[in-house]
Amino acid sequence: GESVGLHLPTLSVQEGDNSIINCAYSNSASDYFIWYKQESGKGPQFIIDIRSNMDKRQGQRVTVLLNKTVKHLSLQIAATQPGDSAVYFCAENGGGADGLTFGKGTHLIIQP
Amino acid sequence: KAGVTQTPRYLIKTRGQQVTLSCSPISGHRSVSWYQQTPGQGLQFLFEYFSETQRNKGNFPGRFSGRQFSNSRSEMNVSTLELGDSALYLCASSSLRRDRETQYFGPGTRLLVL
Repeated sequence: GESVGLHLPTLSVQEGDNSIINCAYSNSASDYFIWYKQESGKGPQFIIDIRSNMDKRQGQRVTVLLNKTVKHLSLQIAATQPGDSAVYFCAENGGGADGLTFGKGTHLIIQP
Repeated sequence: KAGVTQTPRYLIKTRGQQVTLSCSPISGHRSVSWYQQTPGQGLQFLFEYFSETQRNKGNFPGRFSGRQFSNSRSEMNVSTLELGDSALYLCASSSLRRDRETQYFGPGTRLLVL
């Protein structure tokens, strides 16, 4: 079954606002998490990752937060731009033979 | 450094045919993984190759197979195509085994089975 999921299939935000995309996972053994961005007609593009020994990691305009207590992962995008419109996937490594398991994705829509 | 490349980008086949897709990983990457992406099932892991050996396999029938060459390039083959095989097939590479390193994806091959 699906071990990684996202709370919302679609998220619409105003350009310039901050976006928060959430993801819940169920495998307590997962120790590595990645966020990918997929634009129409393209393959997933790596955004940021985090290991289980961290709670927070920041990149350029993006921050990933990991709450192991409630098995929750979030991606924050600051000052969203039209180019941020895409489907965002979280992925986890549960340590088993399947390696990375992907959620179904959240479609982020940026309103002008 | 060039990214992951996949050929062909688009493919149309009919039921019962077979198809071979190709993937060239990022230079220096030894692990290649294949995924099937459909609107209904999302991204599903097919298999992983590392140093020419299949290390892991997802829950797909035996019609799906693959191989990796000494230069780390990989191919996947689907025999006896079914309508449900229509999907975007993605290849991802990483420098080590995929479960220990970030995977970088190619643009995918969109397969349509008629």
